Amino acid sequence: KQEVTQIPAALSVPEGENLVLNCSFTDSAIYNLQWFRQDPGKGLTSLLLIQSSQREQTSGRLNASLDKSSGRSTLYIAASQPGDSATYLCAVGTQAGTALIFGKGTTLSVSS
Amino acid sequence: DGGITQSPKYLFRKEGQNVTLSCEQNLNHDAMYWYRQDPGQGLRLIYYSQIVNDFQKGDIAEGYSVSREKKESFPLTVTSAQKNPTAFYLCAAAERWDTEAFFGQGTRLTVV
Repeated sequence: KQEVTQIPAALSVPEGENLVLNCSFTDSAIYNLQWFRQDPGKGLTSLLLIQSSQREQTSGRLNASLDKSSGRSTLYIAASQPGDSATYLCAVGTQAGTALIFGKGTTLSVSS
Repeated sequence: DGGITQSPKYLFRKEGQNVTLSCEQNLNHDAMYWYRQDPGQGLRLIYYSQIVNDFQKGDIAEGYSVSREKKESFPLTVTSAQKNPTAFYLCAAAERWDTEAFFGQGTRLTVV
């Protein structure tokens, strides 16, 4: 059964730092991987979707990479800002016609 | 304004009562999903539907029921058989099972 792990569970950095969030999955046979952001008490906001045939996707200060063979994805956030403080979740699509499987998230705190 | 609307935002239920959570989307997406989120547990899949008039159980379907009579609507009923219903419930939609998923703002259910 597919398992998704995100380490660390929490991360605190000063404003302006570049940082990397990690996501690993046990079964490399995935169709896609999606990164989300969640603010406290809110729903999820989609950040980036990487299809299995892709190596990376970029949106503004965010860059997500995918290495299927090693079962890993990273979300790179450049020049972090206090507004980036949130929980970041990754999810993988494993079986055709089913649903995303989520990690437990990394809670990021960026101090000014 | 396009998107996914969950209502109500907060819901209180007495033990032994059934309650229905609403999820409506105007994205014209075929796939819809219900997840449950508990502190420290991540998102767990309750039910999903890839097309109208069809739905499948997720990992924690016991004590829940759904219907998909219209493309834009996927209501979730929490029955009295659900042992621990207090949680944050999230609805999502995607054009297809392998495309980008979008989430609503969630419904927080509390059993009193």
